[in-house]
Amino acid sequence: RKEVEQDPGPFNVPEGATVAFNCTYSNSASQSFFWYRQDCRKEPKLLMSVYSSGNEDGRFTAQLNRASQYISLLIRDSKLSDSATYLCVVNPPRAQKLVFGQGTRLTINP
Amino acid sequence: DGGITQSPKYLFRKEGQNVTLSCEQNLNHDAMYWYRQDPGQGLRLIYYSQIVNDFQKGDIAEGYSVSREKKESFPLTVTSAQKNPTAFYLCASSIDRGLGPQHFGDGTRLSIL
Repeated sequence: RKEVEQDPGPFNVPEGATVAFNCTYSNSASQSFFWYRQDCRKEPKLLMSVYSSGNEDGRFTAQLNRASQYISLLIRDSKLSDSATYLCVVNPPRAQKLVFGQGTRLTINP
Repeated sequence: DGGITQSPKYLFRKEGQNVTLSCEQNLNHDAMYWYRQDPGQGLRLIYYSQIVNDFQKGDIAEGYSVSREKKESFPLTVTSAQKNPTAFYLCASSIDRGLGPQHFGDGTRLSIL
């Protein structure tokens, strides 16, 4: 089983829709969780950290479910500029590194 | 402005040639990382370093070498032993040794001539 798994998509949704995707991780003792955004042929950029209590940043909401070992990202009122690949990132225990998921490709259509 | 600078942006390698990719950061971060990304794929860790003069192999270190002589610099050499080097190479750094988020340079695209 992969350490971090994401549905690669692609997800195609109309502008203004709400879209959500999940990411599962294999090690229950993982400590840190992040969502990154990567535009085509660009470097990944930190979108948000994911906290146990869940957190919101404008139209974006991230949640962590430790019991089921997944994190989620919800995008409300999606914009054309939200089109990108979203990477789920996890820090396994006792590892001084992050593990990146394959990414979920999202396209927002006008 | 603080950040991570990778150079060159594009690089071409001839058969049997070693090439070195530069990564410099002025964020005063202790940890630095090198990743490889192939088209449509995720990031794979090549090497990482938590402190000067120390580094560890990642998941795909074969055919690559690194050095960490200065805190701000972490160059990656793609050796002739790496038979399929065409990829997008990303350097990252973090203030927290593994726990915190990583910040990326804008990458180097390496191709074979």
